[in-house]
Amino acid sequence: SYVLTQPPSVSVAPGKTARITCGGNNIGSKSVHWYQQKPGQAPVLVIYYDSDRPSGIPERFSGSNSGNTATLTISRVEAGDEADYYCQVWDSSSDLYVFGTGTKVTVL
Amino acid sequence: QITLKESGPTLVKPTQTLTLTCTFSGFSLSTSGVGVGWIRQPPGKALEWLALIYWDDDKRYSPSLKSRLTITKDTSKNQVVLTMTNMDPVDTATYYCAHRPAGGGGAFDIWGQGTMVTVSS
Repeated sequence: SYVLTQPPSVSVAPGKTARITCGGNNIGSKSVHWYQQKPGQAPVLVIYYDSDRPSGIPERFSGSNSGNTATLTISRVEAGDEADYYCQVWDSSSDLYVFGTGTKVTVL
Repeated sequence: QITLKESGPTLVKPTQTLTLTCTFSGFSLSTSGVGVGWIRQPPGKALEWLALIYWDDDKRYSPSLKSRLTITKDTSKNQVVLTMTNMDPVDTATYYCAHRPAGGGGAFDIWGQGTMVTVSS
């Protein structure tokens, strides 16, 4: 089965840039989606199709995907960005869905 | 506006069967390309995709849980039901249902609030 690996944690100072990676075999050939989950809340889609933002998501959130790594970038980090972040792909060949291991972002 | 809401028991005993219902509004599960998925999250752990049902009644299951899961839909009631057999304490988790839009590349754009299920005797 397809595995997505994320770093357990990322720490960033307010106003700086946070980068969260999502590693998977040839992930660049798949569409990657990213979710933000705050404590006690359901996940919220923040990036889809590698780099598109749903309406209402700040431009500070961006994404990229190439080779074996996809990256979620949060620019000008704010205290309210502190949350868990998950990547996800849809393996169209098997029609199965996979979530990453999750990354806890801490704003210092 | 799309909304989804999960319902079901909060406590089940080991070996019992869990039945969860997702009641949704704001979209039709008859629309080509649309799906509803189930995802769970044990306390303090990562999200895990369980199953998905498409508008045409096609169904997909997590390979690791396939033998225990059944997903069905009632389009007239705007409901999707997930059953999981032979429940175990390790199945204790918050269970979410989510909308899978057509043409969204497999993303889940709207989620329910989730329902916590505890497995204990």
